[in-house]
Formats: sequence, structure tokens, C-alpha cells
Amino acid sequence: ETGVTQSPTHLIKTRGQQVTLRCSSQSGHNTVSWYQQALGQGPQFIFQYYREEENGRGNFPPRFSGLQFPNYSSELNVNALELDDSALYLCASSLGGAAQYFGPGTRLLVL
Amino acid sequence: KNEVEQSPQNLTAQEGEFITINCSYSVGISALHWLQQHPGGGIVSLFMLSSGKKKHGRLIATINIQEKHSSLHITASHPRDSAVYICATTSGTYKYIFGTGTRLKVLA
Repeated sequence: ETGVTQSPTHLIKTRGQQVTLRCSSQSGHNTVSWYQQALGQGPQFIFQYYREEENGRGNFPPRFSGLQFPNYSSELNVNALELDDSALYLCASSLGGAAQYFGPGTRLLVL
Repeated sequence: KNEVEQSPQNLTAQEGEFITINCSYSVGISALHWLQQHPGGGIVSLFMLSSGKKKHGRLIATINIQEKHSSLHITASHPRDSAVYICATTSGTYKYIFGTGTRLKVLA
């Protein structure tokens, strides 16, 4: 059984650019959630996907968007990057409402 | 006011000490989770609780639903326990609402 993986591990972008982050769910998990964790803060919920449909969204603007694929892997896309988007982005997979398993995160720096 | 609050924010202990981290929440939940985050970011799920008490090795987690309060205890603490411990709640939508974490440092 493979765990949750994320790519890339680190990324540097400039303001205004677009970024795509990727997440592979743990085998058998049909739900993926994305979180943003600013330095020194707890993670904040961005959105969740269940069987390829958005299943809840946090207080993030529309330039944060996502996809879940038939194999339950997922992408987080952020358009028009801002300096405040610099953070650790975590994805977590689960089977419905069971405990979530977190990936190692992607650290994004926006200059 | 955050929906999930933790105390203390920072904690330094000597190896072998008994450690307690507290979590209070303000809304109804379906489950409460204790998570551990090491430097570098990876988060590991320690416990998922909806009532009572759970134990795993030197870690014990308790929850009081009526008081909306949970505690994480570490017995015989060790420097490798140094990490950020995060309390999170879930309700019907399954999203986690996180506390800000407790940064624990255990000195040898």
C-alpha cells in the first residue's frame, strides 16, 4: 500500500504566474482534501474532492481551483500568484469520512 | 475566536516528563483528531476520537464531548517526541478544522 505523495517538493514562482501542484492519493481512497499552511500557522482548508466532484470549499478565492481524476489523484491550480500564496500546500486522502492521510507537502515560494 | 484552540502554544520539557496538551472546540463535531507535524512539514495522524480515550504506546488521547475538550498526554517524553502537535476537528463535511498547534521541545 503506497502512501500519499505530492509533487514537486519545492517550487519558486514569481507574482502573477500560475502553478499546478499534484497529489497521488493512498490506494483505495476516494476523497482528497487540500490545505494551505502559512509559516507558523495551522493548515487552512482550501477544498475537498470526492469522486471527482468538489465536496466543500474553504475561504479561498476562485483563482484557487482543483481537479480530481478517475484514479483519485488530484491537482491544485493557483492562478495570478500573490506573495501571500507562499506556504506549504498539503493534500490528504481518505476513504469518505475516515481519518485523513497527509502527503509531505509542496513548499511554494512566490517572489 | 478560532473554532479550535490549543494550549500551550509552546512547551519545553525535560526528557522523561509527563506532558499534556489541551484542545478546546466551540462547535459540534463528528470526530477530533490529534496530529503530529515534524520540521519539513509531514503530518502524521496520531488519533481519531469521537468519545472516551485511546492509547498508543506512550501517547494517550482523551475527549470530553460535553465539555468540548480533549487532551493529548505523552508519558516518559523523549527528545524524538519534539514536534508540533495539532488538534483538528471534523464535522459532516469531513474537512479538518485545525488548531494552531503546540510546539513541543523535549530536552535530553
